[in-house]
Formats: sequence, structure tokens, C-alpha cells
Amino acid sequence: EVQLVESGGGLVKPGGSLRLSCAASGFTFSTYSMTWVRQAPGKGLEWVSSISGASSFLYYADSLKGRFTISRDNAENSLYLQMNSLTAEDTAVYYCARDYGGDYWGQGTLVTVSS
Amino acid sequence: DVVMTQSPLSLPVTLGQPASISCSSSQSLIHSDGNTYLNWFQQRPGQSPRRLIYKVSNRDSGVPDRFSGSGSGTDFTLKISRVEAEDVGVYYCMQATHWPPATFGRGTKLEIK
Repeated sequence: EVQLVESGGGLVKPGGSLRLSCAASGFTFSTYSMTWVRQAPGKGLEWVSSISGASSFLYYADSLKGRFTISRDNAENSLYLQMNSLTAEDTAVYYCARDYGGDYWGQGTLVTVSS
Repeated sequence: DVVMTQSPLSLPVTLGQPASISCSSSQSLIHSDGNTYLNWFQQRPGQSPRRLIYKVSNRDSGVPDRFSGSGSGTDFTLKISRVEAEDVGVYYCMQATHWPPATFGRGTKLEIK
């Protein structure tokens, strides 16, 4: 059974940093691209970033302006999102999803940016 | 970026009746490889999104056959043949043809009348 479990969310002050993790199981992690999608409170879905299986290709939403970094550790079956210079507009539930097309999603982790 | 426009944004439906959601894109979603990367997602209240349909009309594993997807080019439709109570939630279309970025529609909220 495919499982994706996000962690690392929480309350952070504006300008702060946070690192999200996504633990994957139930499939051969290294053979799949992975994606982060976020959802602001009461809003729709927004694609954030994706990474290929071997980390050869990294993709980001232009709106992030270089503040976020996606990475993965295939030995640990884990996906990461390093988020810097956070603002209130980054407040959202962050989901990790398998593949560029999002065939499986985790339960999400809430990031709240507030002073 | 490709803009995805869904309609309606709110969809009240009587149990057992059909439902239809439209999604149009600002550009053709036919990829140079011949595929059309248009997916549909369901998000039930308080839950994560779940993919229902990929590449326009292919149902994901475990998705009831009352859900179907159709369309081509810039116009796509998700149909539910007979709405059940468990279908309540928000439905999103997403394109991954002109990627990055993947872009989502604003969502259609399905509720029971």
C-alpha cells in the first residue's frame, strides 16, 4: 500500500525557515518523481515544486522566487522541502504527492506563518 | 501559465441524479507526445485530494465507475452518473501538459440538495 506521511509543519515567524519531510513507503521510491502541492486555508490547490526520481530535474513555481528548495533521499525514501524567508502568504497545508500527476497524496502538514 | 476554468463553482445535486463539471484550458492540452495530461481530483471535507481520473478519461484504481472523464483540446468534463452521499466535496481539474507549472482549476463544490 502506498503511503506518504508529511511532517515538519508548525508555527513560524515571518522571515523564518522550516523544513518539511515526506516519508514514503509501499513503492519503489527512487523510480518516481515527487511533488509538493499546497492549499491555503479555504482556498484551492497550488503546485509548489517537483523533483525527478534521481534528482536530475527540479521544478519550482515562479511565485516562490527561489525561497524553497526541494530535495530527496532515495536511500531513506524521503522527500523534503526547505522553505526560507517565509511570509504570511505561505501559510497553507503542504501535501506531498507521488509523480508529476499526483496519483497518491499524503495527509498534509500545516504551516502557519505568523508573528 | 495555462489557466484552468471550472464551471460551475457550486453544484447542488439530488442523490441519485447525474452531475457534470466542466473544465476549460486557456491553451490546448495536447502534448507533443500525443497525450493530454488532464487530471481530475476529489477532495472530500477534511481530507486530502484523491486523483480520480488521469489523462482525460482513465479512472484510477478503486474509483467507482459512476465517475467518467471526457473531452479533448481545451474542453473537458467530469461526469458522475448517479451522485451518492460520499461524493460530496470539491472537485479540481489539473493540467500537466504545459508544465511546469502544473495548474489547477478553482474547484467545484458538490453538495447534496
